[in-house]
Amino acid sequence: ETGVTQTPRHLVMGMTNKKSLKCEQHLGHNAMYWYKQSAKKPLELMFVYNFKEQTENNSVPSRFSPECPNSSHLFLHLHTLQPEDSALYLCASSQDPGWAEKLFFGSGTQLSVL
Amino acid sequence: TQLLEQSPQFLSIQEGENLTVYCNSSSVFSSLQWYRQEPGEGPVLLVTVVTGGEVKKLKRLTFQFGDARKDSSLHITAAQPGDTGLYLCAGAWDSNYQLIWGAGTKLIIKP
Repeated sequence: ETGVTQTPRHLVMGMTNKKSLKCEQHLGHNAMYWYKQSAKKPLELMFVYNFKEQTENNSVPSRFSPECPNSSHLFLHLHTLQPEDSALYLCASSQDPGWAEKLFFGSGTQLSVL
Repeated sequence: TQLLEQSPQFLSIQEGENLTVYCNSSSVFSSLQWYRQEPGEGPVLLVTVVTGGEVKKLKRLTFQFGDARKDSSLHITAAQPGDTGLYLCAGAWDSNYQLIWGAGTKLIIKP
């Protein structure tokens, strides 16, 4: 398997649930990202990890908690979400976290919060 | 106010027609990337332009970076149904490596 794989593809959760999104990259990249994509809005960068270390946290609410156990795996732990958190959550990776780097995206997790 | 404005937001045309979509900003970018996102998938990088006035061609797709590096265009010749998707542009500044994204142009090519 190659590329960036995200699971699950779809997730419906209540506001009191706890769930986790998983991302795995098979490209040997050093940087991994979480993005939020809402309809008709620009992609929002949430978190950046470089060599397992978090380098960016763009004022994301604490109900989103990332985890990067190694450079190939990235998780996004979710708890007590709000309906406005419903969106497509995209994981991406790049060789290094530079601005000119080519981003490789997963297919995303479509999240619905009821 | 979005830093990168994409227009039009939505475009639906017949197969075989030509089209141009735009990505505009008041800011100067060091480089600009174009991505295509098909339904149910993540964005896929099409091209990166870095020099003012640069033109890059990818089969029937022609990308141009403005001379002042504030804007870019994507022209598709003889559009095909396989070109259907959301086209996103993303710009980068020297001082901050985070990409600035546009909201996208949703393109539908009807057979």
